[in-house]
Amino acid sequence: DAGVTQSPTHLIKTRGQQVTLRCSPKSGHDTVSWYQQALGQGPQFIFQYYEEEERQRGNFPDRFSGHQFPNYSSELNVNALLLGDSALYLCASSLHRGRDEKLFFGSGTQLSVL
Amino acid sequence: GIQVEQSPPDLILQEGANSTLRCNFSDSVNNLQWFHQNPWGQLINLFYIPSGTKQNGRLSATTVATERYSLLYISSSQTTDSGVYFCAVPVTYYGGATNKLIFGTGTLLAVQP
Repeated sequence: DAGVTQSPTHLIKTRGQQVTLRCSPKSGHDTVSWYQQALGQGPQFIFQYYEEEERQRGNFPDRFSGHQFPNYSSELNVNALLLGDSALYLCASSLHRGRDEKLFFGSGTQLSVL
Repeated sequence: GIQVEQSPPDLILQEGANSTLRCNFSDSVNNLQWFHQNPWGQLINLFYIPSGTKQNGRLSATTVATERYSLLYISSSQTTDSGVYFCAVPVTYYGGATNKLIFGTGTLLAVQP
């Protein structure tokens, strides 16, 4: 039973570039959430996808966008990268409105913006 | 919005010692989760505990929802317990259709051999 998988594990970009991060949810899960974790802080909610739609969004600018595919996998896109976007990006999957709403996290993508 | 605070912020233990981590939250919640983030960044879900007490090996957790706190107990600590421990509570939106987790400030635990 595969857990949540993310790719790539590490990424280096320069300011102004665009980046796409990928996530495959745990088998049987249909909901994907993305979190940003800056160094020394707890994860911050970016947005959540269910049924291929963005269902809720945290306090992040429109430069952050996403997509969910019919197989429930998801992408996070960040445009016009800023130095402050350097962080660990975590994907979490869950079962929508399941009785047990435990979130399972991937290992993350470490993004460095130079 | 809801505030989630953890204490202590840092903790150093000798291997074999016991510890208690605390999580306080400012509003009523319908569940609470404890996570361990290892030094490689992986977040592992330890407990899903809306109320009461659960145990898993050397770890146990208690949530007292009416008093808005949760405790994580680590007994006979091992070096592999090192990392950051987060508690997180959900903010449920209209109709309960979605929720996001609000993470606490974290407790950095270092277990020395």
